[in-house]
Amino acid sequence: QSALTQPPSVSGSPGQSVTISCIGTSSDIGYYRRVSWYQQSPGTAPKVLIYEDTNRPSGIPDRFSGSKSGNTASLTISGLQPEDEAGYYCSSYTTAKTYVFGTGTEVTVL
Amino acid sequence: QVQVVQSGAEVKRPGASVKVSCEASGTTFNGFYMHWVRQAPGQGLEWMGWISPAGDDRNAAQKFQGRVTMTRDTSRNIVYMELSELRSDDTAVYYCARESIVAALDLWGQGTLVTVSS
Repeated sequence: QSALTQPPSVSGSPGQSVTISCIGTSSDIGYYRRVSWYQQSPGTAPKVLIYEDTNRPSGIPDRFSGSKSGNTASLTISGLQPEDEAGYYCSSYTTAKTYVFGTGTEVTVL
Repeated sequence: QVQVVQSGAEVKRPGASVKVSCEASGTTFNGFYMHWVRQAPGQGLEWMGWISPAGDDRNAAQKFQGRVTMTRDTSRNIVYMELSELRSDDTAVYYCARESIVAALDLWGQGTLVTVSS
């Protein structure tokens, strides 16, 4: 199972929007409604931002949103804040009853 | 206070095994799938495997099959991950994580650094 494909980095100024793509296959992203997104700051454990493709856990700001089309999922951060500078990872359940993470994207707030 | 406490850092020789524990405090692992995820220095997250709530089923990423053993003690709210035949590229921070009812990893341990070096 190969890792899902994400861009290595994206950047934006405060207040702008950035979108991170996550490309999988018909055996993972495209098969289930089981894409999650995680935020990870240096030296800390990941934190879930999005589950089941588009849903936000309580306490996650609504500037984080998830979407999906076919085998590609996306995370959009609207109104970028300095504290959003971190690593972001997508994840999906697969038809092999395993999980797979994306390659990870570093978000830089200019 | 909800906490997930993992065992401390380990230094191992190549070819050895390591066993990492993960204990719930102020919450429970009972009834939940538990996962193990690792992160090599400066690298991304890598999913390793899951163990079922009763501990009677498990699945691991193909690259770890035959080398990873996941167990749990439901009476003590502890899960374990043992990785054998360690190599230098197994040097990483190992995390346990609880899978919520909506299939997201909602509760993570603090991570355990395992260093494999001769």
